[in-house]
Amino acid sequence: EVHLLESGGGLVQPGGSLRLSCAASGLTFSTYAMTWVRQGPGKGLEWVSTISGRGGSTYYADSVKGRFTISRNNSKKTLLLQMNSLRAEDTAVYYCAKELGYCTSISCFRYFDSWGQGTLVTVSS
Amino acid sequence: SYELTQPPSVSVSPGQTARITCSGDALPNQHAFWYQQKPGQAPVLVIYKDSERPSGIPERFSGSSSGTTVTLTISGVQAGDEADYYCQSTDTIDPYPVLFGGGTKLTVL
Repeated sequence: EVHLLESGGGLVQPGGSLRLSCAASGLTFSTYAMTWVRQGPGKGLEWVSTISGRGGSTYYADSVKGRFTISRNNSKKTLLLQMNSLRAEDTAVYYCAKELGYCTSISCFRYFDSWGQGTLVTVSS
Repeated sequence: SYELTQPPSVSVSPGQTARITCSGDALPNQHAFWYQQKPGQAPVLVIYKDSERPSGIPERFSGSSSGTTVTLTISGVQAGDEADYYCQSTDTIDPYPVLFGGGTKLTVL
């Protein structure tokens, strides 16, 4: 059974930095792309960033591009999210998720079959 | 990129059928995925590829697609099905960004 456990959340002032971690078990970690999804208080789900299995490709939402950096350590089965220049609107529960993907003749698709329990990031002075 | 639109809320009585829709202009050419999120918990995948059910998800959950709308149907709704439900798809050109609908609160009366 896949188990994902996030850590590193907390209270940070605007403009500050925070690094989130996600420890994975029960899967061949390097085989899968991994993703961060966040959910603001009382709001819906928002895709944040994805990294390929070997770490060679990374993708970011426009809202975090240039401020957040996703990375992974496959030997330690750990996913990371370095968050800099944090803003109040970054306040959210951050989930890590295991991604599955496939392609048809028309397009390629991504979805998430395993999620962690989330870690809360609060950006406030 | 385009948007996925869901009704904010759907209410049904126990034992009835709940239908939650998700609309998007690109959906005729895209697959959709559905997640259930109960209060204080992480999302759980309940439907993938429009209508496929992951192992462990009850047969009461089904998905369908027609034109620009995909639908999550929950038959014989139970109190435990009360949750937020989110549809998800991808951009028509690139696999990222991943797009989520705004979510639908299912209330079991």
